[in-house]
Amino acid sequence: GQQLNQSPQSMFIQEGEDVSMNCTSSSIFNTWLWYKQDPGEGPVLLIALYKAGELTSNGRLTAQFGITRKDSFLNISASIPSDVGIYFCAGRSTLGGATNKLIFGTGTLLAVQP
Amino acid sequence: DSGVTQTPKHLITATGQRVTLRCSPRSGDLSVYWYQQSLDQGLQFLIQYYNGEERAKGNILERFSAQQFPDLHSELNLSSLELGDSALYFCASSHRDRAWDEQYFGPGTRLTVT
Repeated sequence: GQQLNQSPQSMFIQEGEDVSMNCTSSSIFNTWLWYKQDPGEGPVLLIALYKAGELTSNGRLTAQFGITRKDSFLNISASIPSDVGIYFCAGRSTLGGATNKLIFGTGTLLAVQP
Repeated sequence: DSGVTQTPKHLITATGQRVTLRCSPRSGDLSVYWYQQSLDQGLQFLIQYYNGEERAKGNILERFSAQQFPDLHSELNLSSLELGDSALYFCASSHRDRAWDEQYFGPGTRLTVT
């Protein structure tokens, strides 16, 4: 199945540090989304980006929709222990007649040491 | 809590068997999506239903089928189960089928095939 390239694969940081992760695709997307998944739970939507070049914030999280429409970035500032989890990017695909099919990235595991 | 419910939480069954996973979307949501999450394939889109009709198909095996009922709940049927079908199965829902309708995920069903 198709997956987007997400990096880094994992990050182990100290509380208070800033975090950056990115996602790249060989295809163009019209929407980029960032989700967080806690163990044993479903992904939770963090940020949605609808326009190339768009920069959107949600608290300590900031995400950007790349100008080429083939990439997106997520930054977390001043990390705290509850930021621990797996972060997924997702691009919205309209291939095959779908209007709302999500293609997910490979995920970034974030561990925060107090 | 996303408002999407899935049952059962865990399911253990043997190869060759058939199981049914159930999903109730958020109140007012007409679209239901099914995803499979496995270690080797990540999160993969399986199928989407909108207001009772199939809208898009992804990497869904022929042994798998789904339907959405008049009360908008959905069921995913997995038959002739193989060891490789062991995975987390997520249901997501969105208000309608427009490209900007965000998907909200349920807590998932963990299927173990022995």
